Amino acid sequence: ELKVEQNPLFLSMQEGKNYTIYCNYSTTSDRLYWYRQDPGKSLESLFVLLSNGAVKQEGRLMASLDTKARLSTLHITAAVHDLSATYFCAVDDKNFVFGPGTRLSVLP
Amino acid sequence: DAGVIQSPRHEVTEMGQEVTLRCKLISGHNSLFWYRQTMMRGLELLIYFNNNVPIDDSGMPEDRFSAKMPNASFSTLKIQPSEPRDSAVYFCASSPGWGTEAFFGQGTRLTVV
Repeated sequence: ELKVEQNPLFLSMQEGKNYTIYCNYSTTSDRLYWYRQDPGKSLESLFVLLSNGAVKQEGRLMASLDTKARLSTLHITAAVHDLSATYFCAVDDKNFVFGPGTRLSVLP
Repeated sequence: DAGVIQSPRHEVTEMGQEVTLRCKLISGHNSLFWYRQTMMRGLELLIYFNNNVPIDDSGMPEDRFSAKMPNASFSTLKIQPSEPRDSAVYFCASSPGWGTEAFFGQGTRLTVV
């Protein structure tokens, strides 16, 4: 059974700081996705990572994938309040299995 | 394209009643996923279809739950009879195929009283 883990599950950080969210998974898949969910809303796709060593960046967020370590990271640079949300990673192993999510709060 | 469309957006029903949730896929997409989200259990995959065929239904909690794809663009998730523990937000998502991202609908918030 495919397992997807994230840490931390809760993250409170100050504006302007940097931090990394980690996503570990148990399969050999090389397809990993990051999503964002705002309270009461649906899930929005952020990044699609389809090979070992893939790196994608959008604004203050950067995602990477290491398939050998079965690890993906979501790095936040100089956080701003608008980044407050829950972030999910998902692994595509013939179906989409999501991690538990990381609830991020960026404080002024 | 309007994206994945779910209906209803909110449903309140009494225990024991039948509930049907509906989902319209994005045109051209051939994979369909149903998820359930709760605070306690997070986002759970219930069932996955590819080309209208159920591929993995191991996440369907019990026989009270059933899902169908009568055609390539539409799916239903039925709960009969409903129970209070079924209260959750139910999402459907579609994707163009393997190796592509899934696009989510707005969800149906189900409350069973």
